[in-house]
Amino acid sequence: EAEVAQSPRYKITEKSQAVAFWCDPISGHATLYWYRQILGQGPELLVQFQDESVVDDSQLPKDRFSAERLKGVDSTLKIQPAELGDSAMYLCASSLVSGLDGYTFGSGTRLTVV
Amino acid sequence: AQSVTQLDSQVPVFEEAPVELRCNYSSSVSVYLFWYVQYPNQGLQLLLKYLSGSTLVKGINGFEAEFNKSQTSFHLRKPSVHISDTAEYFCAVTRLSGGYQKVTFGTGTKLQVIP
Repeated sequence: EAEVAQSPRYKITEKSQAVAFWCDPISGHATLYWYRQILGQGPELLVQFQDESVVDDSQLPKDRFSAERLKGVDSTLKIQPAELGDSAMYLCASSLVSGLDGYTFGSGTRLTVV
Repeated sequence: AQSVTQLDSQVPVFEEAPVELRCNYSSSVSVYLFWYVQYPNQGLQLLLKYLSGSTLVKGINGFEAEFNKSQTSFHLRKPSVHISDTAEYFCAVTRLSGGYQKVTFGTGTKLQVIP
């Protein structure tokens, strides 16, 4: 069964350092999503790509977060500098264009900022 | 704007007993509804979805949900739970906005199955 690959699974970083997460969606899925899930809450969308274009980054803290999907396939989410409040699970998901088949999520990256 | 309310943050239930996890939504336009399950330290997995047609939707692992438009609800049910159903369950609503689907997730309900 096809999976969304994410790495690393766990990351511990010091406050003010830079950190990056990688995601490889299911082949053929044009839409890619990055979500942040704080402990005890539901996922919140950070950024949505359609192929290589950003279609929604309204909730992305752009002063410290950036995301790219240069060739419309895999994607990187970066935080610089990291803050204590960034500690969370970062989930990547992908879907067909419509999204109506539901999303396929990766296993996530658990970020701890110390 | 759309929102999703999961009324129970935690639901304890004995093994082999039935369970219902509640979800209510609000939206001014037509929506599509989903339930996802999340096991510890994992991503979310699609359980079932309602797009149109029959209001009773069957999903994986023996779960089903019923769409009730008048009550704006989409409650998840299972007639007999197993220990392996212990997980967190998220209701999600999606609507078309600007040519793309915008998804809103609820805050989740933790199902604790007691042996």
